[in-house]
Amino acid sequence: GESVGLHLPTLSVQEGDNSIINCAYSNSASDYFIWYKQESGKGPQFIIDIRSNMDKRQGQRVTVLLNKTVKHLSLQIAATQPGDSAVYFCAENIDRSNDYKLSFGAGTTVTVRA
Amino acid sequence: GAVVSQHPSWVICKSGTSVKIECRSLDFQATTMFWYRQFPKQSLMLMATSNEGSKATYEQGVEKDKFLINHASLTLSTLTVTSAHPEDSSFYICSAHGGTQETQYFGPGTRLLVL
Repeated sequence: GESVGLHLPTLSVQEGDNSIINCAYSNSASDYFIWYKQESGKGPQFIIDIRSNMDKRQGQRVTVLLNKTVKHLSLQIAATQPGDSAVYFCAENIDRSNDYKLSFGAGTTVTVRA
Repeated sequence: GAVVSQHPSWVICKSGTSVKIECRSLDFQATTMFWYRQFPKQSLMLMATSNEGSKATYEQGVEKDKFLINHASLTLSTLTVTSAHPEDSSFYICSAHGGTQETQYFGPGTRLLVL
Protein backbone atom coordinates (compact mmCIF):
# COMPACT_ATOMS: atom_id res chain seq x y z
CA GLY A 1 0.00 0.00 0.00
CA GLU A 2 0.93 3.64 -0.14
CA SER A 3 3.25 4.90 2.54
CA VAL A 4 2.16 8.48 2.13
CA GLY A 5 -1.33 9.64 3.01
CA LEU A 6 -3.35 12.75 3.63
CA HIS A 7 -5.16 13.60 6.83
CA LEU A 8 -8.13 15.29 5.13
CA PRO A 9 -9.44 14.71 1.62
CA THR A 10 -10.97 18.20 1.25
CA LEU A 11 -10.28 21.68 2.51
CA SER A 12 -12.45 24.74 2.07
CA VAL A 13 -10.78 28.06 2.77
CA GLN A 14 -11.85 31.68 2.55
CA GLU A 15 -9.96 33.79 0.06
CA GLY A 16 -7.20 35.65 1.82
CA ASP A 17 -6.91 33.18 4.67
CA ASN A 18 -3.99 30.83 5.16
CA SER A 19 -4.32 27.17 4.17
CA ILE A 20 -2.66 24.21 5.85
CA ILE A 21 -2.57 20.85 4.12
CA ASN A 22 -1.31 17.87 6.05
CA CYS A 23 0.36 14.65 5.04
CA ALA A 24 1.52 11.62 7.00
CA TYR A 25 4.17 9.24 5.80
CA SER A 26 5.15 5.86 7.15
CA ASN A 27 8.59 5.19 5.68
CA SER A 28 11.07 6.57 8.18
CA ALA A 29 13.87 6.03 5.64
CA SER A 30 12.39 8.55 3.20
CA ASP A 31 14.66 11.54 2.88
CA TYR A 32 13.09 13.69 0.21
CA PHE A 33 9.57 15.04 -0.07
CA ILE A 34 7.72 17.05 -2.68
CA TRP A 35 4.42 18.89 -2.83
CA TYR A 36 2.59 19.00 -6.13
CA LYS A 37 -0.47 20.96 -7.23
CA GLN A 38 -2.80 19.46 -9.80
CA GLU A 39 -5.49 21.52 -11.45
CA SER A 40 -8.40 19.81 -13.15
CA GLY A 41 -7.40 18.08 -16.36
CA LYS A 42 -3.72 18.93 -16.01
CA GLY A 43 -0.54 17.24 -14.88
CA PRO A 44 0.90 17.81 -11.41
CA GLN A 45 2.90 20.98 -10.99
CA PHE A 46 5.92 21.13 -8.69
CA ILE A 47 5.40 23.50 -5.76
CA ILE A 48 8.17 22.95 -3.25
CA ASP A 49 10.40 20.22 -1.91
CA ILE A 50 12.29 19.51 1.29
CA ARG A 51 15.00 17.12 2.39
CA SER A 52 15.00 15.27 5.65
CA ASN A 53 17.93 17.30 7.01
CA MET A 54 15.62 20.33 7.13
CA ASP A 55 12.43 20.95 9.06
CA LYS A 56 11.21 24.01 7.21
CA ARG A 57 11.52 25.50 3.78
CA GLN A 58 9.87 28.57 2.34
CA GLY A 59 8.92 29.51 -1.16
CA GLN A 60 6.73 32.17 -2.62
CA ARG A 61 3.59 32.19 -0.43
CA VAL A 62 4.24 28.56 0.50
CA THR A 63 6.02 26.91 3.39
CA VAL A 64 6.67 23.22 3.88
CA LEU A 65 7.20 21.84 7.37
CA LEU A 66 8.67 18.45 8.09
CA ASN A 67 8.38 16.71 11.44
CA LYS A 68 10.42 13.54 11.25
CA THR A 69 9.59 12.53 14.81
CA VAL A 70 5.95 11.95 13.96
CA LYS A 71 6.51 11.49 10.22
CA HIS A 72 4.35 14.42 9.28
CA LEU A 73 4.58 16.87 6.41
CA SER A 74 2.52 20.00 5.88
CA LEU A 75 2.10 22.66 3.23
CA GLN A 76 1.09 26.14 4.25
CA ILE A 77 -0.25 28.55 1.68
CA ALA A 78 -0.37 32.18 2.72
CA ALA A 79 -3.17 34.51 1.61
CA THR A 80 -4.95 31.82 -0.38
CA GLN A 81 -6.19 32.94 -3.77
CA PRO A 82 -8.87 31.51 -6.11
CA GLY A 83 -6.07 30.21 -8.33
CA ASP A 84 -4.92 28.00 -5.49
CA SER A 85 -8.01 25.82 -5.89
CA ALA A 86 -6.67 22.42 -6.91
CA VAL A 87 -5.75 19.00 -5.61
CA TYR A 88 -2.52 18.94 -3.63
CA PHE A 89 -0.40 15.81 -3.40
CA CYS A 90 2.53 15.10 -1.18
CA ALA A 91 5.08 12.63 -2.47
CA GLU A 92 8.08 10.94 -0.93
CA ASN A 93 11.16 9.46 -2.47
CA ILE A 94 10.80 5.79 -1.65
CA ASP A 95 13.75 4.38 -3.48
CA ARG A 96 16.70 6.61 -4.19
CA SER A 97 18.66 3.57 -5.35
CA ASN A 98 16.02 2.80 -7.95
CA ASP A 99 15.55 5.80 -10.16
CA TYR A 100 14.14 8.02 -7.43
CA LYS A 101 10.66 6.56 -7.50
CA LEU A 102 8.02 8.61 -5.75
CA SER A 103 5.07 7.45 -3.71
CA PHE A 104 2.06 9.76 -3.78
CA GLY A 105 -0.51 10.44 -1.14
CA ALA A 106 -4.23 10.37 -1.82
CA GLY A 107 -4.45 14.13 -2.36
CA THR A 108 -6.34 16.97 -0.71
CA THR A 109 -8.84 18.99 -2.70
CA VAL A 110 -8.60 22.66 -1.81
CA THR A 111 -11.53 24.92 -2.63
CA VAL A 112 -11.15 28.64 -2.18
CA ARG A 113 -14.33 30.57 -1.33
CA ALA A 114 -14.63 34.08 -2.62
CA GLY B 1 13.16 25.25 -17.19
CA ALA B 2 12.17 21.60 -16.60
CA VAL B 3 9.35 21.49 -19.12
CA VAL B 4 7.78 18.20 -20.10
CA SER B 5 5.32 17.86 -22.95
CA GLN B 6 2.93 15.12 -23.96
CA HIS B 7 1.22 14.38 -27.21
CA PRO B 8 -1.59 13.97 -27.86
CA SER B 9 -3.44 15.76 -25.07
CA TRP B 10 -6.50 13.63 -25.68
CA VAL B 11 -7.41 10.73 -27.90
CA ILE B 12 -10.53 8.73 -28.67
CA CYS B 13 -10.11 5.33 -30.24
CA LYS B 14 -12.09 2.20 -31.02
CA SER B 15 -11.75 -0.91 -28.92
CA GLY B 16 -9.00 -3.17 -30.23
CA THR B 17 -6.82 -0.45 -31.69
CA SER B 18 -3.45 0.72 -30.39
CA VAL B 19 -2.63 4.20 -29.20
CA LYS B 20 0.79 5.79 -28.83
CA ILE B 21 1.49 8.60 -26.38
CA GLU B 22 4.69 10.62 -26.54
CA CYS B 23 6.48 12.25 -23.63
CA ARG B 24 9.26 14.75 -24.25
CA SER B 25 11.57 16.70 -21.99
CA LEU B 26 11.98 20.03 -23.76
CA ASP B 27 14.83 21.72 -21.95
CA PHE B 28 16.72 18.99 -20.15
CA GLN B 29 17.95 15.49 -20.71
CA ALA B 30 15.78 12.98 -18.94
CA THR B 31 17.73 9.97 -17.83
CA THR B 32 14.58 8.51 -16.37
CA MET B 33 10.95 8.92 -17.31
CA PHE B 34 7.96 7.59 -15.45
CA TRP B 35 4.50 6.72 -16.66
CA TYR B 36 1.49 7.12 -14.40
CA ARG B 37 -2.16 6.42 -14.70
CA GLN B 38 -4.83 8.38 -12.88
CA PHE B 39 -8.52 7.61 -12.52
CA PRO B 40 -11.03 10.35 -11.63
CA LYS B 41 -10.64 11.68 -8.09
CA GLN B 42 -7.78 9.31 -7.37
CA SER B 43 -4.08 9.66 -6.89
CA LEU B 44 -1.38 8.89 -9.41
CA MET B 45 -0.52 5.24 -9.89
CA LEU B 46 2.96 4.48 -11.16
CA MET B 47 2.87 2.10 -14.10
CA ALA B 48 6.50 1.86 -15.12
CA THR B 49 9.94 3.42 -14.96
CA SER B 50 11.75 4.01 -18.20
CA ASN B 51 15.49 4.49 -18.59
CA GLU B 52 17.03 5.63 -21.83
CA GLY B 53 18.36 2.73 -23.87
CA SER B 54 17.12 -0.02 -21.60
CA LYS B 55 13.96 -1.96 -20.95
CA ALA B 56 11.30 -0.39 -18.80
CA THR B 57 10.62 -1.63 -15.29
CA TYR B 58 6.95 -2.27 -14.71
CA GLU B 59 5.10 -2.07 -11.44
CA GLN B 60 3.35 -5.11 -10.10
CA GLY B 61 0.08 -5.75 -11.86
CA VAL B 62 0.91 -3.71 -14.97
CA GLU B 63 0.99 -5.81 -18.15
CA LYS B 64 4.17 -5.06 -20.04
CA ASP B 65 2.81 -6.57 -23.26
CA LYS B 66 -0.20 -4.30 -23.12
CA PHE B 67 1.60 -1.11 -22.17
CA LEU B 68 4.70 -0.94 -24.37
CA ILE B 69 7.27 1.62 -23.35
CA ASN B 70 10.16 2.82 -25.45
CA HIS B 71 12.79 5.31 -24.28
CA ALA B 72 14.90 5.74 -27.36
CA SER B 73 16.56 9.03 -26.49
CA LEU B 74 17.24 11.26 -23.51
CA THR B 75 14.32 13.48 -24.44
CA LEU B 76 11.65 11.09 -25.64
CA SER B 77 9.71 8.19 -24.18
CA THR B 78 6.60 6.63 -25.69
CA LEU B 79 3.80 4.60 -24.18
CA THR B 80 1.76 2.43 -26.52
CA VAL B 81 -1.51 1.02 -25.27
CA THR B 82 -2.00 -2.08 -27.38
CA SER B 83 -5.41 -3.55 -28.20
CA ALA B 84 -7.09 -0.92 -26.10
CA HIS B 85 -10.34 -1.68 -24.31
CA PRO B 86 -12.82 0.59 -22.54
CA GLU B 87 -11.27 -0.24 -19.16
CA ASP B 88 -8.02 1.32 -20.42
CA SER B 89 -9.74 4.69 -20.57
CA SER B 90 -7.88 6.91 -18.16
CA PHE B 91 -5.61 9.93 -17.74
CA TYR B 92 -2.02 8.99 -18.56
CA ILE B 93 0.74 11.23 -17.26
CA CYS B 94 4.47 11.07 -17.74
CA SER B 95 7.19 12.62 -15.65
CA ALA B 96 10.90 12.99 -16.06
CA HIS B 97 13.98 13.78 -14.09
CA GLY B 98 17.54 14.29 -15.18
CA GLY B 99 20.73 12.86 -13.73
CA THR B 100 20.91 13.03 -9.97
CA GLN B 101 18.09 15.52 -9.74
CA GLU B 102 15.39 13.87 -7.65
CA THR B 103 12.51 16.13 -8.55
CA GLN B 104 10.15 14.71 -11.12
CA TYR B 105 8.57 17.16 -13.53
CA PHE B 106 5.28 16.17 -15.05
CA GLY B 107 3.75 16.46 -18.47
CA PRO B 108 0.24 17.84 -18.97
CA GLY B 109 -1.28 14.40 -19.33
CA THR B 110 -3.13 12.53 -22.07
CA ARG B 111 -6.76 11.64 -21.69
CA LEU B 112 -7.60 8.37 -23.42
CA LEU B 113 -11.15 7.30 -24.16
CA VAL B 114 -11.69 3.87 -25.66
CA LEU B 115 -15.09 3.29 -27.18
